[in-house]
Amino acid sequence: QVQLQQSGTELVKPASSVKISCKASGYTFTSNYIHWIRQQPGDGLEWIGWIYPGNGDTKYYQKFDGKTTLTTDKSSSTAYMQLSSLTSEDSAVYFCARGMGIFGFAYWGQGTLVTVSS
Amino acid sequence: DVVLTQTPVSLSVTLGDQASISCRSSQSLEYSDGYTYLEWYLQKPGQSPQLLIYEVSNRFSGVPDRFIGSGSGTDFTLKISRVEPEDLGVYYCFQVTHDPFTFGSGTKLEIK
Repeated sequence: QVQLQQSGTELVKPASSVKISCKASGYTFTSNYIHWIRQQPGDGLEWIGWIYPGNGDTKYYQKFDGKTTLTTDKSSSTAYMQLSSLTSEDSAVYFCARGMGIFGFAYWGQGTLVTVSS
Repeated sequence: DVVLTQTPVSLSVTLGDQASISCRSSQSLEYSDGYTYLEWYLQKPGQSPQLLIYEVSNRFSGVPDRFIGSGSGTDFTLKISRVEPEDLGVYYCFQVTHDPFTFGSGTKLEIK
């Protein structure tokens, strides 16, 4: 069965960077887009961008461009999202998700809580 | 950016009754291929969101037929007939027609 297993909670300092992971299993990793979604505390959902593991193509919501870098490691079927120049605004739960095709996020990771605090 | 306005913000429903959630878009969500890429998700307390509906009215595998999506252009509705306890949570509409893809602000369904 398709599973997306995300890395654990991160407590990081302002101005630093963090890299969170999303390990995929149960399907051919290179065949489906991986999307990333943010949920700030007590708030709604916000789409960040996608990466296509087959060729590394990426697309970012302009708001997150420069803040976010999406990569994959095909050898371990893992997608990564790096967030840089962290501020308290970046404190959130970050989800990875896989679509049925490109969209239709049928499969989600459990979420990774990132807390930015000195 | 396309703005999706969901109403109501919250909804309190008696078990067995019907619930209806509206999602209005600031632009038509019909894509040039003729399809309309509007999805609905439910986020239960403490969980990741789950896909209910894609392309306006197609139920995802395993989603009960109590969930009915409808609409076109800029106006969309999710109806939940015969509400059950496991339906509580926050419902989000989500459009993938226009870049960037955007979510509605959510509708919280509570059980009376």
